[in-house]
Amino acid sequence: GNSVTQMEGPVTLSEEAFLTINCTYTATGYPSLFWYVQYPGEGLQLLLKATKADDKGSNKGFEATYRKETTSFHLEKGSVQVSDSAVYFCALKVENQGGKLIFGQGTELSVKP
Amino acid sequence: GAVVSQHPSRVICKSGTSVKIECRSLDFQATTMFWYRQFPKQSLMLMATSNEGSKATYEQGVEKDKFLINHASLTLSTLTVTSAHPEDSSFYICSARGVGRSGNTIYFGEGSWLTVV
Repeated sequence: GNSVTQMEGPVTLSEEAFLTINCTYTATGYPSLFWYVQYPGEGLQLLLKATKADDKGSNKGFEATYRKETTSFHLEKGSVQVSDSAVYFCALKVENQGGKLIFGQGTELSVKP
Repeated sequence: GAVVSQHPSRVICKSGTSVKIECRSLDFQATTMFWYRQFPKQSLMLMATSNEGSKATYEQGVEKDKFLINHASLTLSTLTVTSAHPEDSSFYICSARGVGRSGNTIYFGEGSWLTVV
């Protein structure tokens, strides 16, 4: 079946630290991969995506590379800010399943000044 | 700005009553809408998938008679929680996928907090 596994949180970093949130997946077929961010009290916002192997998605200083050989899509940012504090969800979408998204459990990030 | 809007953003209802949550696509036609439920500090669990003009497809374990989904138009889907109980209190999020704006992208609503007292 299809599933997404993220590293457990919460992750607490100091401002300007390097961030990595691990995400691995299992999928039947060829999924598209996504990172969504959820700020406190809000819905989900698409952060970045990649639709095929070796693609790199990037946005707001975050990036993630679709690694088919390791079935991974780790999220990275070189220098985090307090405003990056949120919950981050890795997700996959397999087109032959109606386009529904399957989410990881979410990783809470807390950035301290 | 938001391309998928949910209403209400917060609702409190009494146990035993029904409550309706609307999900609207604002500048595109949503051929498919998805309803998710999120418990505090947990991931999103897909409840059902609805295609305009047809019956919703519910995920295993979701009571279709309790969570009524209607997708009567290409811009509106509704989720009605019938005979709500405190355990139905949760954050409900819809997403929409369609044609037009940005092609095949899925957009999420802001979510609706339901509290059943």
